[in-house]
Amino acid sequence: GDSVTQMEGPVTLSEEAFLTINCTYTATGYPSLFWYVQYPGEGLQLLLKATKADDKGSNKGFEATYRKETTSFHLEKGSVQVSDSAVYFCALSESNSGYALNFGKGTSLLVTP
Amino acid sequence: DTAVSQTPKYLVTQMGNDKSIKCEQNLGHDTMYWYKQDSKKFLKIMFSYNNKELIINETVPNRFSPKSPDKAHLNLHINSLELGDSAVYFCASSQEGPRGNEQFFGPGTRLTVL
Repeated sequence: GDSVTQMEGPVTLSEEAFLTINCTYTATGYPSLFWYVQYPGEGLQLLLKATKADDKGSNKGFEATYRKETTSFHLEKGSVQVSDSAVYFCALSESNSGYALNFGKGTSLLVTP
Repeated sequence: DTAVSQTPKYLVTQMGNDKSIKCEQNLGHDTMYWYKQDSKKFLKIMFSYNNKELIINETVPNRFSPKSPDKAHLNLHINSLELGDSAVYFCASSQEGPRGNEQFFGPGTRLTVL
């Protein structure tokens, strides 16, 4: 079945450092890909998405490109801020699973001043 | 205006009790979901309803029963609560589309079973 694999956390970075969180997936069909963010004590918010190969999703300085050849959707940000500290989830959805989100295990990011 | 709301936010109860969690969305979406987040933050789909019709029912114990009185509401009733049911339960909604549209999440209900 479909699955999403994310790099294990926690990830600790200094402010203004470069961030990469790796995400790879397996899917039977042609999924849409998402990054969601969960700030402490809150629900999930969509950070960015991509619905077809080579699409680049971007938001708040974060970017991820849908790479079909490597089945990857890595999250990057050039300069992280303390306020980016949160848990980041990579997820996919497909029509054959009713578009329910299939999540990776999440990567906790801590940015220190 | 809150897009997806859940009540209660916190729920502490004894083993064996029956409890319900309510979810409402005011976005006019057709599809609603329940997800469970365990203590390690892992999120897993439990149920999905589209226009009051059950479309996803993952491997969840029969003690869990979703009910959708209308397309804006999806409630979750849990019978005979067990320690392992302790988790955060998230409701979400989305508008159907060909490429899997964004899901909007509620703030979560933290259930603690003692």
